[in-house]
Amino acid sequence: GQNIDQPTEMTATEGAIVQINCTYQTSGFNGLFWYQQHAGEAPTFLSYNVLDGLEEKGRFSSFLSRSKGYSYLLLKELQMKDSASYLCAEGVFQKLVFGTGTRLLVSP
Amino acid sequence: DVKVTQSSRYLVKRTGEKVFLECVQDMDHENMFWYRQDPGLGLRLIYFSYDVKMKEKGDIPEGYSVSREKKERFSLILESASTNQTSMYLCASNQATGSLYGYTFGSGTRLTVV
Repeated sequence: GQNIDQPTEMTATEGAIVQINCTYQTSGFNGLFWYQQHAGEAPTFLSYNVLDGLEEKGRFSSFLSRSKGYSYLLLKELQMKDSASYLCAEGVFQKLVFGTGTRLLVSP
Repeated sequence: DVKVTQSSRYLVKRTGEKVFLECVQDMDHENMFWYRQDPGLGLRLIYFSYDVKMKEKGDIPEGYSVSREKKERFSLILESASTNQTSMYLCASNQATGSLYGYTFGSGTRLTVV
C-alpha cells in the first residue's frame, strides 16, 4: 500500500494556530483529503485538494504540493471542540488510502 | 445528504461464530468500501465494490468476505470470528465519477470477539 506519514500526536492551546503535516507517496493520485474524527465516532470530511495551493474554509485551511507529495491542515483560533484525530488520506484511483491519523489535544 | 447506515453500533460475538456486518446507503452510490480501524494502525481497507456482484480485495482481506447483491447494500462477513478481529468497522460509499469528493462514512460498528 501507499506510505502516508503524519505525526502521531500534537498539543496546542485554545486560540492558537496549529499545522498538521502529511506526506505521501503518490500512485494513481486522485486528490488529498483531510477528515476529522472525534473519539468513538465516524470520520467526517474536512477538506479536499486536487490542485496545488491553499484551500480555505473558515477556520480550517489545507495546502497541497503534488511535486513534493506534501499537504498540511491549518487550524486557526483553536477551540476545545477541535480536540480530535485528523486523518490525512490520499485518493488512489477510486478509493481512499489513510494515514494513521494525528491526535490533537487542545488545552485551555 | 447521503446517508450510510450500519446496522449495529456495538456487537459482541464468540470466537468461531459467523458474523455479518451490514451497510446500506441511500444515494445510489456505485462504490462501497469496508475498513477496519485500530489504534496506531489507522483505517485499513478490507474490501471494496464498484458495482453489484463485484468485489475487490483491499489491503487486509484475510479472514473476511463480502457480498453485494443489491446496489445499496454491502455486507462484510467474518466466516469464523477470531479475537484479532476485534475492531471498529467502518463502511463508506461514493459515486463512481472521477472525483472522490463525497466519500461518506457510516457511524461504525464496534465488534468485540470474545
